[in-house]
Amino acid sequence: SQTIHQWPATLVQPVGSPLSLECTVEGTSNPNLYWYRQAAGRGLQLLFYSIGIDQISSEVPQNLSASRPQDRQFILSSKKLLLSDSGFYLCAWSVSGGARTGELFFGEGSRLTVL
Amino acid sequence: AQSVTQLGSHVSVSEGALVLLRCNYSSSVPPYLFWYVQYPNQGLQLLLKYTSAATLVKGINGFEAEFKKSETSFHLTKPSAHMSDAAEYFCAVSEGRGGGFKTIFGAGTRLFVKA
Repeated sequence: SQTIHQWPATLVQPVGSPLSLECTVEGTSNPNLYWYRQAAGRGLQLLFYSIGIDQISSEVPQNLSASRPQDRQFILSSKKLLLSDSGFYLCAWSVSGGARTGELFFGEGSRLTVL
Repeated sequence: AQSVTQLGSHVSVSEGALVLLRCNYSSSVPPYLFWYVQYPNQGLQLLLKYTSAATLVKGINGFEAEFKKSETSFHLTKPSAHMSDAAEYFCAVSEGRGGGFKTIFGAGTRLFVKA
């Protein structure tokens, strides 16, 4: 069966420090991968999605970047965190190719607090 | 562009009462529609999905939703609320673009269940 894991689960970082959140998927190949951010009391905002290795699409201009060095690994990074980067970050995957329906499978989430 | 509107950021029901969470969407192509549930500090879990088959969709935990094209709605219902249903619920619509599959989420509705 397929599983998705992301870490760390919680993170408290000072303003201006770097960030790295990692997500890995097991039990499937060539998944579509996504990073969402959920701010307090708000819905989910799509940050990045990827349809393959080194193929990243950014949805909103921001202080963050994403990379996909391997088929089932997706990394969210920042060189210098801002207060506004605080939030709950969710990694997700979906089936690619003809069988896709857009159903997303989510990781457990990473709560980032920037102080 | 596709969009999702969830009516009511908070809904409160008594245990045993009907649950009705409202969702309206807009889409230029036949949509795939989803309801996800999120418990505190966790990722999202799929409740049910509509992918152009039967318009009445049954999901987990006794929830169901009906796709009404004429009303562009996909409301979520459950005949009898249980305390364990207290959570945040997200309606979502997916589209296909460039080989990926973007999913757009509503702002969410928090369900409170009173004893």
